[in-house]
This record gives sequence, structure tokens and C-alpha cells, in this order.
Amino acid sequence: DIQMTQSPSSLSASIGDRVTITCRASQDISNSLAWYQQKAGNAPKLLVSDASRLESGAPSRFSGAGSGTDHTLTISNLQPEDFATYYCQQYYSTPRTFGRGTRVEIK
Amino acid sequence: QVQLVQSGAEVKKPGSSVKVSCKASGGTFSGYILTWVRQAPGQGLEWMGRIAPNLGTTHYGQAFQGRATITANSATATTYLELISLTSDDTAVYYCARGRGDGFPNWGQGTLVTVSS
Repeated sequence: DIQMTQSPSSLSASIGDRVTITCRASQDISNSLAWYQQKAGNAPKLLVSDASRLESGAPSRFSGAGSGTDHTLTISNLQPEDFATYYCQQYYSTPRTFGRGTRVEIK
Repeated sequence: QVQLVQSGAEVKKPGSSVKVSCKASGGTFSGYILTWVRQAPGQGLEWMGRIAPNLGTTHYGQAFQGRATITANSATATTYLELISLTSDDTAVYYCARGRGDGFPNWGQGTLVTVSS
């Protein structure tokens, strides 16, 4: 199974900050990576697929980058509604493994 | 706009089984992959397995091999997850999700399964 190591596990940031979350795969997954946002009590919401393709309806302040083993999700100009937990997931092979999540909290 | 509507919360005894359903409204199964993901209280997301209804093929995570069964009824656009030999470690919210293999844009609302004596 491909292991997805996500960091940091949590971070504190202020409104307007730029934050970056990293996801490292245990092997080359090309660009077969998705990012999700999850708010308490809700199902995850797909933000980015194919490592950098923003989903319809996702704000443009979210951007994904990377290929191979190293991937990032960047939120520029952090907004109040962005405080949530973010997960990466690889779909290069089955099982489709998730990272352990990054909780973004208000400083 | 497709919606995935899951069955209601369940309370089960250790050693019993549970079957959760997920119905697609406003859409079909054709060409999609239906996946089950669970989330234990305060924990992350765990991929359990998936089914491709048009191919009839299933794949399961190693932790669920032999204990989980995913089925689908294309006529009713419903997928099912059955989990047997429940323990307290199976207490979680179970989600169904639909996609084409490049991430899951559609999710059910989640079904809380509580395993308690």
C-alpha cells in the first residue's frame, strides 16, 4: 500500500495568511492526488484533483502543486471559512490511501 | 446534481453485523466507482473498499478483507456496505462516495454506526 505522510498535523494561522500543507507519498504517484476539506460534522469536500486541478466551485485562493512523491496545497489569503481539516488522497493505486489530515486553526 | 443519500444511524452489539445503504438520486451509477470511507471519532479518513457496478468488480482495503462486502444494485442506483463481526473499533461514521477514479466529488451525508454492549 502507498503511505501518504501529511504535514504538519495542525497549524495556527491568521486571517489573510498564506499557508502550505505538504503531502509525501511513499512512492511515485505522478499527479494522481486529490485534496479535500472537511468541516466538523460534514462530509469531505473535494477541492483539487490531478494534483493541481481546482474543482468547480472551489475558491481560487486554493492551489495544488507537485508531481511524483511530493505535493502541496496552498491557501493564499486565508479566510474564516477555511478553518477546517484538510486531507490528501492518492488514487494512483488501490487501496486509495489518505493522509492523516492537517487541522487549520485560528491563531 | 447528484445526491448520495445514506441510511440512518445504527446501534449494534459486538459480534453482530451492519448493512448501510447509499442511494444516488438525480444520477446513475453507470461509469462511476462507488467507494466506502469511514471515520472513527476524532480520527482521519480510512478507505474501506469500492465497487464498479458496470463491471461488477470490487476491491477492499486489507483491514476489511473478509469482513466487509460491498454490493450495488444498478436498477435502484443503490450501493450497500455490510460489515460483520463488529467490535467497538468499528464505531465510526461511514461515508459513501462517487467518482470516476480521480477523486470523489460526490459524498453521502454519512451514517453513524455505534458498536456497544
